[in-house]
This record gives sequence, structure tokens and C-alpha cells, in this order.
Amino acid sequence: DTEVTQTPKHLVMGMTNKKSLKCEQHMGHRAMYWYKQKAKKPPELMFVYSYEKLSINESVPSRFSPECPNSSLLNLHLHALQPEDSALYLCASSQDRLAHRRETQYFGPGTRLLVL
Amino acid sequence: AQKITQTQPGMFVQEKEAVTLDCTYDTSDQSYGLFWYKQPSSGEMIFLIYQGSYDEQNATEGRYSLNFQKARKSANLVISASQLGDSAMYFCAMGHGFGTGTSLTVIP
Repeated sequence: DTEVTQTPKHLVMGMTNKKSLKCEQHMGHRAMYWYKQKAKKPPELMFVYSYEKLSINESVPSRFSPECPNSSLLNLHLHALQPEDSALYLCASSQDRLAHRRETQYFGPGTRLLVL
Repeated sequence: AQKITQTQPGMFVQEKEAVTLDCTYDTSDQSYGLFWYKQPSSGEMIFLIYQGSYDEQNATEGRYSLNFQKARKSANLVISASQLGDSAMYFCAMGHGFGTGTSLTVIP
């Protein structure tokens, strides 16, 4: 089973709202990732969690706040977003981050976010 | 630093024909992996195939094969017997970095 689930599938929010994106995997993977993808562009890495600890933050604005409650769950808390934050947010997981260059990442279906 | 380059923004292929999608890369690492992903219009990024830098054989997974030329730093994806469902964006990736993608359209 290589399934990564994400909820919600679609989200519309105003610039003053607070919302959360959720990601879950039951493959026993110890590394989880958030990517942001704009239309017709490749995914861009936002955060990496390894063994439930934040290991990479790609200079993401503080209005995005990641959280890893346990090894299976990854959240992305959103607050005071801007219209330019509208994008597809993809979650991924891999067995281990330590050898990430040779680790296969498995992606969820994504959350399409629209900020009005 | 790593860099992935895909020079074909769009490709067309006749159904049942084979197609090659190009990918070149640059890295100073001796050990690395190259990945190809398919992204249909629904958005999900689907893992297709992996090639390790020390693998002696070119990777194959069903209709997908990888033409890996280490000296040229290229890892081209070959899709044989194209199907209408193969129409999608295809990304070459290394680590957390992705190429700009190739949009493949399969023509009936």
C-alpha cells in the first residue's frame, strides 16, 4: 500500500481565515513533506519532517505553520494567507530522509487552495 | 547543488507508438537517484520509475523504461505503446528538485 491521503481536496478561504490541511500515511514512513505547486510549474519544497522533527524549512512565510503530531500525520496550518498563496498543496512521504536522494517519495492527491 | 532540466515543454505521440521524454541533470554527488513522476490533470503526482546512479541496468517498469546515460548526465523516460491515459505532465526529479515538466498528449 503506497497511499497518502490529504484532506480537504478543495479549500476556499478568505485572507483573514484560519484553516488547516491534513495529510496521513500508514506506510511506516519516517519522512514527510509539504510542497506547493502553482499551475503549469513544478512542485516547490516547503517543509521536510524527519522522525517527527522539522528538518527543512525552505524560507516559507510564517503564515504557513507545519505540524507533525505523530509519525503518520502531517498538518499545514494556514493563517492570513494572500491570494498569491492559491496553489495545489501536495504532501509526500518516504521511508527515510537520511538517504533522501535515493528515497522514493509517494504523493497524496493534493489540496487545491484558493485564497480570496 | 542539483539541477534538473527538461527541454520539451510539450510532446505529442500517436496512440500505440513509443515516445521519449528528455531529462538531463547536474549534481556533484556520487550517489544519487533519478525519479520520474506522472501528474494527470487531477493533480496527483504518481511515481513511475527510479534509477540509481550505481545501478548497472537501465530501470524498467512495465511500459516505462529509463535510458540512463551517466556520462552524459541524462535519464530519458521511454514510454512504449502509448495509451490515451498516458496524457499528462511528466516530471523528472532528483531529491526534492523537479524539472519543469513535459506535457504529453496522446493522439487517437
